[in-house]
Amino acid sequence: NAGVTQTPKFRILKIGQSMTLQCAQDMNHNYMYWYRQDPGMGLKLIYYSVGAGITDKGEVPNGYNVSRSTTEDFPLRLELAAPSQTSVYFCASSYPKTGVPSYNEQFFGPGTRLTVL
Amino acid sequence: KQEVTQIPAALSVPEGENLVLNCSFTDSAIYNLQWFRQDPGKGLTSLLLIQSSQREQTSGRLNASLDKSSGRSTLYIAASQPGDSATYLCAVNDGNKLVFGAGTILRVKS
Repeated sequence: NAGVTQTPKFRILKIGQSMTLQCAQDMNHNYMYWYRQDPGMGLKLIYYSVGAGITDKGEVPNGYNVSRSTTEDFPLRLELAAPSQTSVYFCASSYPKTGVPSYNEQFFGPGTRLTVL
Repeated sequence: KQEVTQIPAALSVPEGENLVLNCSFTDSAIYNLQWFRQDPGKGLTSLLLIQSSQREQTSGRLNASLDKSSGRSTLYIAASQPGDSATYLCAVNDGNKLVFGAGTILRVKS
């Protein structure tokens, strides 16, 4: 299994440009997540999905959009890039066990480092 | 709103020393707590997951404890090695999502 994969690894955008960060997992996980990590900080949740066709906002959703048309893929869209979106973006997935909500281990991709100039 | 704090922010120890990393959270209504390791420029590697009904988990030289009522967790690393140098993050699961602390940067000197 490749686990959670993310593309691209690095990207530089100009202010106002748009892009999509790709995330895929091959573990048949139903839950997927997008986080951002600013320097010296922990991760903050942007959006998450509990299954195909279902998405919900996290702590910092402004400026981002997501879709979940398949179990495997969970792309993150930036429509009008701003310098405040300079960050490292991590995608994660998990497979909560039915009836055991306390067991929900998340597995992370390698991240995408985005700079907006 | 759940908040997670990690102390210390950075720690430098000589090789072989036992050490403790601390994590505290403000809302005890959690499903589980996860400890992660992050190497520079890399993603997160899950080290240990403690379910809300558990008191501790062990993996090799790592031992994590959880005291839900007081909102605290500790990660104990025995006989530290230079290869343990990394950032250690704790995160609490308060539903469908994780809330992270800012991490402890650990440096083990040879």
